[in-house]
Amino acid sequence: QLQLQESGPGLVKPSETLSLTCSVSGGSIGRSTYYWGWIRQSPGKGLEWIGDVYYSGNTYYNPSLNSRATISVDTSKNQFSLRLRSVTAADTAVYHCARHRYQLVPFIDFWGQGILVTVSS
Amino acid sequence: DIQMTQSPSSLSASVGDRVTITCRASQGISNYLNWYQQKPGRAPRLLIYTASSLQGGVPSRFSGSGHGTDFTLTISSLQPEDFAIYYCQQSYSTPSITFGQGTRLEIK
Repeated sequence: QLQLQESGPGLVKPSETLSLTCSVSGGSIGRSTYYWGWIRQSPGKGLEWIGDVYYSGNTYYNPSLNSRATISVDTSKNQFSLRLRSVTAADTAVYHCARHRYQLVPFIDFWGQGILVTVSS
Repeated sequence: DIQMTQSPSSLSASVGDRVTITCRASQGISNYLNWYQQKPGRAPRLLIYTASSLQGGVPSRFSGSGHGTDFTLTISSLQPEDFAIYYCQQSYSTPSITFGQGTRLEIK
């Protein structure tokens, strides 16, 4: 059974960079037909798609983040990561990593449990 | 962006009740509509994809329907484990997906 687990700091200061990693077990990111991505959840904005990465490094991002997000992949470690620059209190949320199917029948079929990240000084 | 609007925002029901949740898209999305269930402290779980296809392992009391802009999720006979928050999600504009705001299903 595929499992995804987020890790990273739970507290980030305003204007700094949020960095999270998702470790995948029970399946391989490499040579997969799926994209791997990040979705955040906050009381104010609900569920918001942040972006996705393919094992080749190809990426897509939500334009509403104004190019602040970068998602990268490390197939040797079976991990992918999120960096979100210049954070503010509005970026406080539970961040989920997920597997995102694009082809034929698009859906998200596996999610990590999520990690709460608070932006505060 | 395609906006997704769910109704109601919250709903109280009893075990054994039949429940319907509605999701409306701001533009036509064909049948590119998925439903998820989320329990407190847990990740969302895919229930239904492409409006009416049941994900593996999901009980048959869950069903979905709709096409274009209007969609429904129906639970035919509520069970105690069904009390949760339900989200719709459009996949028409993949990768730029969007979610509804959620419907909280509570025990009456």
